[in-house]
Amino acid sequence: ETGVTQTPRHLVMGMTNKKSLKCEQHLGHNAMYWYKQSAKKPLELMFVYSLEERVENNSVPSRFSPECPNSSHLFLHLHTLQPEDSALYLCASSQTGDRTEAFFGQGTRLTVV
Amino acid sequence: ELKVEQNPLFLSMQEGKNYTIYCNYSTTSDRLYWYRQDPGKSLESLFVLLSNGAVKQEGRLMASLDTKARLSTLHITAAVHDLSATYFCAPDSNSGYALNFGKGTSLLVTP
Repeated sequence: ETGVTQTPRHLVMGMTNKKSLKCEQHLGHNAMYWYKQSAKKPLELMFVYSLEERVENNSVPSRFSPECPNSSHLFLHLHTLQPEDSALYLCASSQTGDRTEAFFGQGTRLTVV
Repeated sequence: ELKVEQNPLFLSMQEGKNYTIYCNYSTTSDRLYWYRQDPGKSLESLFVLLSNGAVKQEGRLMASLDTKARLSTLHITAAVHDLSATYFCAPDSNSGYALNFGKGTSLLVTP
């Protein structure tokens, strides 16, 4: 496997469910990101982890909970979501010391019903 | 907070025509990235502009960066249908770990 891999690719969940999105990067990067992309808004940066520590949390509701157990894995835990949370969730990684571009996963298309 | 403005947001152009997409940003940044996104797909890196005056070309696309004017352009030459996609610019935040994206320019190239 190379690049950034996200699972699942599609997810339908009820508002009372709990689910998790997974992201894995095979690029040796030290920073990972979660973005939300919806029809109404451009790419919204949700969370940034650098060296496994959360360095940015852009006013994201607590129903979204990130976890970064190591530099290669990033999770987004979801609970009691709202229909307006339906969107494409993109994971990305980069090497902060080199300040090179971020590489994106294929995304998880989330639908909250 | 770094703000990024792209224009136009929507662009419909005929094959064979030329056009330029503009990306303005609000605070100092010495490098900038352009990405392409096809419908339902993820973002693909197109160009990395590393310094003031940088110019990069790939096929019918050419990107440039003017850090003093806080402006980047993406020029399309003799458009073809395969270029239809959404294009995003993202100035580096200088903090080393965050990317702020413009709203994207949705390009449709028609026969």
